[in-house]
This record gives sequence, C-alpha cells and structure tokens, in this order.
Amino acid sequence: DAKTTQPNSMESNEEEPVHLPCNHSTISGTDYIHWYRQLPSQGPEYVIHGLTSNVNNRMASLAIAEDRKSSTLILHRATLRDAAVYYCILRDVQDTDKLIFGTGTRLQVFP
Amino acid sequence: NAGVMQNPRHLVRRRGQEARLRCSPMKGHSHVYWYRQLPEEGLKFMVYLQKENIIDESGMPKERFSAEFPKEGPSILRIQQVVRGDSAAYFCASSQSTGNSGNTIYFGEGSWLTVV
Repeated sequence: DAKTTQPNSMESNEEEPVHLPCNHSTISGTDYIHWYRQLPSQGPEYVIHGLTSNVNNRMASLAIAEDRKSSTLILHRATLRDAAVYYCILRDVQDTDKLIFGTGTRLQVFP
Repeated sequence: NAGVMQNPRHLVRRRGQEARLRCSPMKGHSHVYWYRQLPEEGLKFMVYLQKENIIDESGMPKERFSAEFPKEGPSILRIQQVVRGDSAAYFCASSQSTGNSGNTIYFGEGSWLTVV
C-alpha cells in the first residue's frame, strides 16, 4: 500500500483557517486521496476525497498538487469541534479497497 | 437514513468468555469492514467481507477471531476465549460496491470491549 506522511500534531485558533498537509510521493494512478477524522471516543468520520482535481464540500476543501505527490486538507474556519485526529489515506480501488490508517495529525483548536 | 449501526456499544466479558459484536451496514451497502483500535493506538484493519464471502482477512488474528456477513442479517465479529489484550474499540464500516468511483466508506460509532 502506498504510504502517506503527515505531521504528528498541529495547532490552530478558533475561526482561523487550518491547512493540514499530507505527502504521498509514491501515489499510483489508481489511488484516491481520502481524508477522515476521528474525534475522541468516536468512529472515524469521512471528510472528503479526490483523485486529481481540487474538491470542496460543506466540511472542507481538498487541494491536490498537480503531480499528486502531496495534498492539503483545508478547514476554512476552525471550531472547537474540529479538534480531532485527521487521517490522510490512499485508497486503491483496484486492490482490496480497504483503508489503511496511519498515525494522522492531531489538531488542537484553541478558543 | 440510518448510518452504520453497531451493537452493543459497550461489552464487558470475563477472560475465557466469548464476545459477539454486530454490525448492520448502511442501507444499500454490501461491503463490510472491521477495524480494531487498542487504547492509545491507531486503527488496524482486520477483515473485509461482502455478503457471504470473506474478501480480505489479512489483519485478523489467526486464532480465536472470526467474522461473517450472512445473506440476511448483520455482520458478526466473534472473539472466542477473550483475553485482556482483546480489550479495545472495534469499528465496523460499510460501503457500496467497489469500483473506480472512489466510493465512500462510512464507519459506525464502535463497540468497546472490556475484558476483566
């Protein structure tokens, strides 16, 4: 499985934008980039995913580099409820299609 | 539009007993995944099933653990003769059929197993 690299932790103040980076230099052409987050004592929550183009939804935006070797999850205005561990995952739907979780980035949001 | 439903949410078992964790996938989903999260650790893939078939069990311990997803009813993760090291959160997830659409996998809220 292709690997991703994320910072262990990041901090933000409430109502500020947050840019969570992810490196995936060994990404293959059939790998989708998925982001999930996990709040304390809860199951992982789907955030967003993309293949080549930038994506926006109500939760976040995903900016994908032109060479696809890195991506950035953007939370436009962080809230206290966004404090969680964020996982960047490559998912090859031509393989067994499972998600392999790394250690993720623990985001702290300060009031 | 119910999400992935897991029960029980919390389960306490004595060493040597059996634990059965149930997962009902989202409506229309025919693929189920089980993950385990030990205290203060990351999520580890255990098994991937489709209706009546195990597709990938590369993360399942070789002994005491089994999983099924029958034609009717929920998926079951069964742990026989539980030991204290089995204490963890077990998450189920589901998705529609695979393909090149990058379809989304949705997770349940988890079942917390405590072995005393």
